[in-house]
Amino acid sequence: AQSVTQLGSHVSVSEGALVLLRCNYSSSVPPYLFWYVQYPNQGLQLLLKYTSAATLVKGINGFEAEFKKSETSFHLTKPSAHMSDAAEYFCAVSPRDYGQNFVFGPGTRLSVLP
Amino acid sequence: DTAVSQTPKYLVTQMGNDKSIKCEQNLGHDTMYWYKQDSKKFLKIMFSYNNKELIINETVPNRFSPKSPDKAHLNLHINSLELGDSAVYFCASSPTRMETQYFGPGTRLLVL
Repeated sequence: AQSVTQLGSHVSVSEGALVLLRCNYSSSVPPYLFWYVQYPNQGLQLLLKYTSAATLVKGINGFEAEFKKSETSFHLTKPSAHMSDAAEYFCAVSPRDYGQNFVFGPGTRLSVLP
Repeated sequence: DTAVSQTPKYLVTQMGNDKSIKCEQNLGHDTMYWYKQDSKKFLKIMFSYNNKELIINETVPNRFSPKSPDKAHLNLHINSLELGDSAVYFCASSPTRMETQYFGPGTRLLVL
């Protein structure tokens, strides 16, 4: 069965600092991977996705993520945090065969300090 | 134009009542989902429909019954509401089961 872990339920960074949110997955076949963001009192929206093309994926709002098969990781980064980045971030893995479900990680809350 | 819409946005009700949440998507997607998000933000899939056919039914109480009248709509009916049902319920849709999911704004259910 597929699973997703996100190290750190809460990450705090200063405005202008590097953002690094960690995601590791387990999957029996090469997965499709996603990062979603949830702003307070809103639904989830897609930040970026990996679908077996380039391993470095660029998303919206200056975020990017790198797929590393050897490490089974898909960490999310942004060079310089902005106050508006404060939100909940979810990593997710897509089913690659009919018997599996889309699985979301537990989420990481990002706080940005002035 | 709202891609995935849910009504109502807020729902406050008493234990034991029956309530419904409606979801509509105008994206032409084949697959729709219901998720439950608890107070710790953990997101759990409840149901998934593909072209009006149920394809995922996770372990949820049978008090929860989804209904899909057509592929653009997936409604959630909940019987005999319990305190533990209090959560945010999200509807989502995707072109296929493997592709990006688009989420509605959520329905905040509070059972008193």
